[in-house]
Amino acid sequence: DIQMTQSPASLSASLEEIVTITCQASQDIGNWLAWYQQKPGKSPQLLIYGATSLADGVPSRFSGSRSGTQYSLKISRLQVEDIGIYYCLQAYSAPYTFGAGTKLELK
Amino acid sequence: QIQLVQSGPELKKPGESVKISCKASGYTFTDYAMHWVKQAPGKGLKWMGWINTYTGKPTYADDFKGRFVFSLEASASTANLQISNLKNEDTATYFCAREGIPTLDYWGQGVMVTVSS
Repeated sequence: DIQMTQSPASLSASLEEIVTITCQASQDIGNWLAWYQQKPGKSPQLLIYGATSLADGVPSRFSGSRSGTQYSLKISRLQVEDIGIYYCLQAYSAPYTFGAGTKLELK
Repeated sequence: QIQLVQSGPELKKPGESVKISCKASGYTFTDYAMHWVKQAPGKGLKWMGWINTYTGKPTYADDFKGRFVFSLEASASTANLQISNLKNEDTATYFCAREGIPTLDYWGQGVMVTVSS
């Protein structure tokens, strides 16, 4: 199974700050990587697919990048509504695997 | 617009069974696979498997083989998850999610299943 190592587990940041979350895949997954945001009591919302493509309706302050088997989600200017838990997902091969999540809080 | 609407919360006793549904609308149901994801209280997301909505063939992750069954009512654009012989550790929210290209793009609102004696 492909392991997705996500870091950090939690993150406290100020408004307008740049935030970066990473996921390291245990093997090559190409661009089969997505990022989701989940708020309490809600279902995950797709932010980024194909490692770098912005999902419909997602603000442009969100971006995804890839360097080999390391994937990053960047929030360029943190806003209040960005608070939540972020997950990566590899959909390269079954079993699909999620990262453990990053809890993003306001400082 | 594309929607996945799941059934309501369930409270069950250990050993009982539960069947939860996921009704799709706004797209051709049989064109996209449906996945199931488990989230235990306060925990992360765990992929359970998927069902081919065209052929009806299910695929289960190792931890979900045996007591878990994915099924379809294709004429009603509905995917179902049945869990038998419920255990306390099955207490969780269960999400259905459509597999678009190339990822899980639309999700249901989730169904909370509570197993308690």
